[in-house]
Amino acid sequence: AQSVTQLGSHVSVSEGALVLLRCNYSSSVPPYLFWYVQYPNQGLQLLLKYTTGATLVKGINGFEAEFKKSETSFHLTKPSAHMSDAAEYFCAVSVTGANSKLTFGKGITLSVRP
Amino acid sequence: GAGVSQSPRYKVAKRGQDVALRCDPISGHVSLFWYQQALGQGPEFLTYFQNEAQLDKSGLPSDRFFAERPEGSVSTLKIQRTQQEDSAVYLCASSYQTTGTNQPQHFGDGTRLSIL
Repeated sequence: AQSVTQLGSHVSVSEGALVLLRCNYSSSVPPYLFWYVQYPNQGLQLLLKYTTGATLVKGINGFEAEFKKSETSFHLTKPSAHMSDAAEYFCAVSVTGANSKLTFGKGITLSVRP
Repeated sequence: GAGVSQSPRYKVAKRGQDVALRCDPISGHVSLFWYQQALGQGPEFLTYFQNEAQLDKSGLPSDRFFAERPEGSVSTLKIQRTQQEDSAVYLCASSYQTTGTNQPQHFGDGTRLSIL
């Protein structure tokens, strides 16, 4: 079975500062990895995904993530935070394709200070 | 429609009542998933359909939960004899292709269920 660990439940950064949201996974087979964002009272929006190939993945809104197999990590970064980035962020894993059931972490709430 | 549509957006029911939650996926999407998101938690998988076939229902928490997709399009999640622990947001997601491909899941805005 696969699992996802998102350390910490809340991250606060200043506007313009680096955003780093950590995600570690556990999987017995090569994983497919995802980051989703959820705004209040809305569903999940895909930020980016890793399936195969290049380990540095670029997504929407200036976010990117790097798949590091040796560290079983898929941390999400953005060079400069914007107020509109304040939301809940979920890391997820699947093992048989992007269109397979997802196992999510508990999520991290990102706050952006003016 | 342009996205996955779920109704109702909010549902309040008394303990013991039956409820039905609807999901209208993106047109042409073969795969449909239901997830349950408890307050402060990540979504958890409930069940998966490929067209009208329910291929995986391993996440359904009890036999009070039942899902169907009779014509391979709209899906209904039914909860019988609701309990307070059923209070959660129920998310539906759909995808164009079948398992094993790289097409991502598109999520609806969810139904927030509150059991009194």
